[in-house]
Amino acid sequence: ETGVTQSPTHLIKTRGQQVTLRCSSQSGHNTVSWYQQALGQGPQFIFQYYREEENGRGNFPPRFSGLQFPNYSSELNVNALELDDSALYLCASSPTPQSQETQYFGPGTRLLVL
Amino acid sequence: GDSVTQMEGPVTLSEEAFLTINCTYTATGYPSLFWYVQYPGEGLQLLLKATKADDKGSNKGFEATYRKETTSFHLEKGSVQVSDSAVYFCALTLSAAGNKLTFGGGTRVLVKP
Repeated sequence: ETGVTQSPTHLIKTRGQQVTLRCSSQSGHNTVSWYQQALGQGPQFIFQYYREEENGRGNFPPRFSGLQFPNYSSELNVNALELDDSALYLCASSPTPQSQETQYFGPGTRLLVL
Repeated sequence: GDSVTQMEGPVTLSEEAFLTINCTYTATGYPSLFWYVQYPGEGLQLLLKATKADDKGSNKGFEATYRKETTSFHLEKGSVQVSDSAVYFCALTLSAAGNKLTFGGGTRVLVKP
């Protein structure tokens, strides 16, 4: 049990819609990273937030955006959904952006775009 | 850019067999290397790591050695159990990138009794 939770566990959207995914970090962790894991592939880094500021971004378009709140929970927002956005979205929290062994992943939110 | 390549699965083994999953990487600089495991219905878990050349990471009977000369970090276990059935991911991060991970495509392992 990592203490990192994500909601919802599953959801279905249609192309063009917007979606918000949520992540609750482990207590004391001020860094959260988001990853996209397409079916049968490895996770790809979307972005990271540290103390409510974006701290690095992967190769994803601007319609992928995020927020981190003062309690260090986080949201991933995706606008104008496309079919290829169907994936498992993972968040990972850590005490600092350099923490490697104490970075913990949540179980993920599975998004299906029809 | 940085990348990780791992052998494609699925790998199907009998219990007590020897497991090897190959992983090679391309990186600018000297990365830290990781193996993560994803059990069905669970989140990614760190299995082991190595931070410099010739380091050996080990955990739960799994081992991997950081080979700079061959840019490899192959995962091995001498005697697998049914409970080792999972998807295994090799990953790297560069010190400048903190803990932002670059993952390989994953290798599904199925251990049969």
